[in-house]
Amino acid sequence: LAKTTQPISMDSYEGQEVNITCSHNNIATNDYITWYQQFPSQGPRFIIQGYKTKVTNEVASLFIPADRKSSTLSLPRVSLSDTAVYYCLVAPILYSSASKIIFGSGTRLSIRP
Amino acid sequence: DGGITQSPKYLFRKEGQNVTLSCEQNLNHDAMYWYRQDPGQGLRLIYYSQIVNDFQKGDIAEGYSVSREKKESFPLTVTSAQKNPTAFYLCASSIVGLESGSSYEQYFGPGTRLTVT
Repeated sequence: LAKTTQPISMDSYEGQEVNITCSHNNIATNDYITWYQQFPSQGPRFIIQGYKTKVTNEVASLFIPADRKSSTLSLPRVSLSDTAVYYCLVAPILYSSASKIIFGSGTRLSIRP
Repeated sequence: DGGITQSPKYLFRKEGQNVTLSCEQNLNHDAMYWYRQDPGQGLRLIYYSQIVNDFQKGDIAEGYSVSREKKESFPLTVTSAQKNPTAFYLCASSIVGLESGSSYEQYFGPGTRLTVT
C-alpha cells in the first residue's frame, strides 16, 4: 500500500509561492497522485492529479520526479483564502479494493498577511 | 445543479440509538464512499461502493452498515455497536471507468456532524 507522508503544518505569507511535498516511497506502477484541499467543516475539494512529470491547471502545479517516490504541490502567489488543510492521496485511478483508498494526515497551511 | 447532498448537517443522538446518515448524488457516478473525520485528523474510509448492490469495508467499518440499492443513494447507519460515533462524516462519489481526459477525483458532500451523548 502506498502510504503517504506530509509535513504536519506550514506557514507562509500572501503573495508567496508555497510548495508542499508528499513522500510516497512504495508507490505502485498504476497509482496516481491526487491532491485535495479542505476548509474547516467542509468536504475536501479536488485540486490536481498527475502520474508523472508536471501537471498544471488554473490553481496549482504538480511536480513528480522520475522515480515517483515523492510529489510536490505548488501554489503560486497564495492568498489568505488558501489557508486550509491539503491532502495527498496515492491510489489507482480505478479502485479495485477499498484498501487502496488511504488519505494521509494532511498538511495544515496557514497564510499570513 | 449537480452535486452531492448530505443531510442533516448536524445530528444529535443518545448513546445506544442507531442513526442513519443520508447521502444522495445526481452526478451519475457509479462509485460512492463514506469517510469519518475526527478533530484535527485526516479522512478514514468506512465503506466503499463501486456499483449498486455491492460495497466493501474500509479500515474502520466496525459498528457501521451501508446499503446501495440505488445508484444515487448510499446511506450510512451508525449502530450502537460503534464505540465512539461522535465525528464528522463525509460522503463522496466518483466515476469508474476509463475516460480519456477525465480526472478521477472524488466529489465530496458538505458533511454531517454527528454528536452522540
